Amino acid sequence: KQEVTQIPAALSVPEGENLVLNCSFTDSAIYNLQWFRQDPGKGLTSLLLIQSSQREQTSGRLNASLDKSSGRSTLYIAASQPGDSATYLCAVEEGNNDMRFGAGTRLTVKP
Amino acid sequence: ETGVTQSPTHLIKTRGQQVTLRCSSQSGHNTVSWYQQALGQGPQFIFQYYREEENGRGNFPPRFSGLQFPNYSSELNVNALELDDSALYLCASSGPSGAYEQYFGPGTRLTVT
Repeated sequence: KQEVTQIPAALSVPEGENLVLNCSFTDSAIYNLQWFRQDPGKGLTSLLLIQSSQREQTSGRLNASLDKSSGRSTLYIAASQPGDSATYLCAVEEGNNDMRFGAGTRLTVKP
Repeated sequence: ETGVTQSPTHLIKTRGQQVTLRCSSQSGHNTVSWYQQALGQGPQFIFQYYREEENGRGNFPPRFSGLQFPNYSSELNVNALELDDSALYLCASSGPSGAYEQYFGPGTRLTVT
């Protein structure tokens, strides 16, 4: 059974800092991995999708990497801003259309 | 392009009652997935519908059921509500199953008392 773990559970950084969020999964047989952002009480906003054949994706200040063999993905946020404060979730999609989520990392960026 | 919408925004029900939640897919998407998110946890997959047929199901009992309509909108029905059903219910739409990004709606907050 696929298990997705995100470390750390919470992170607080000063504005301007570069940071890395980690995601690990136990079964490497995945179709893709997706990173989402969730503001309190709201739905999920897709940030980056990495297909299983890809190694990384970039969008603006965000860069996500995928290492299937080791079951790891990282989300790198450059020059963090207070508006980046949110919960970041990673999810892996398996062949049975079941998308498995981690519990998220709650990020606070202090002005 | 219209995004994913859900209704209602909030709902309060009593244990034992039944509830129907609704979701309208993003334009051009034919696949809808439903998720349950308890407080402080990641979403859990309930089921997925593709072209009006159930196309995968998570570890949820049969009292969680769904429908997808010809316009690709969808309903989630929950019978015999339990206190533990209190959660944020999210729907997500996507293109052909298995290879495309899922776009989420804002969710329906269900409280069971």
